[in-house]
Amino acid sequence: KQEVTQIPAALSVPEGENLVLNCSFTDSAIYNLQWFRQDPGKGLTSLLLIQSSQREQTSGRLNASLDKSSGRSTLYIAASQPGDSATYLCAVRPRFVSGAGSYQLTFGKGTKLSVIP
Amino acid sequence: GAVVSQHPSWVICKSGTSVKIECRSLDFQATTMFWYRQFPKQSLMLMATSNEGSKATYEQGVEKDKFLINHASLTLSTLTVTSAHPEDSSFYICSAPLIETSVSTDTQYFGPGTRLTVL
Repeated sequence: KQEVTQIPAALSVPEGENLVLNCSFTDSAIYNLQWFRQDPGKGLTSLLLIQSSQREQTSGRLNASLDKSSGRSTLYIAASQPGDSATYLCAVRPRFVSGAGSYQLTFGKGTKLSVIP
Repeated sequence: GAVVSQHPSWVICKSGTSVKIECRSLDFQATTMFWYRQFPKQSLMLMATSNEGSKATYEQGVEKDKFLINHASLTLSTLTVTSAHPEDSSFYICSAPLIETSVSTDTQYFGPGTRLTVL
């Protein structure tokens, strides 16, 4: 059974710092990995999606890397801003699963980020 | 981009009552939708897979008679929490995959969630 772990559970940084969030997964047979942002009491906003054949994806100040063989992904946030404060979730989609089950995501518990002005 | 909506966004009910939550894909058709539950400071846990025109598939430990799922159309799935109890209080989120075969990609879109509080 796939397990996704995110470290740290919470992180507080001063504005302007670069930071790295970590995600690890136990089963490397993944189709893709996705990073989401969740604001308090809100739904999920997709940030970056990395296919299993890719090693990284970039969007603005965000860069996500994937090392499938070691079961790790990192989300790098450059020049952090107070507006980046949120919980960041990573989720993996399984490979070698047929039908609707192939779209099921396994989530980590998230890293709660606070960027202090 | 594709949008998935949920209604209501929050609901408070008395113990023993039933609550229906709607999940709609607004600009695409979804033969499959997923229902997740999220407890405070916990991850999203998949409850069930909603299949248009057929029975839902429930994850282990989720009572199908308590969490009734109906996927009556290609744009609507409903989750009914029957005889709700305080332990059912949680954040319920649905998602729907958008499959774009023309570009061989797909991604999932999530609803904004429904906060259920059972008194």
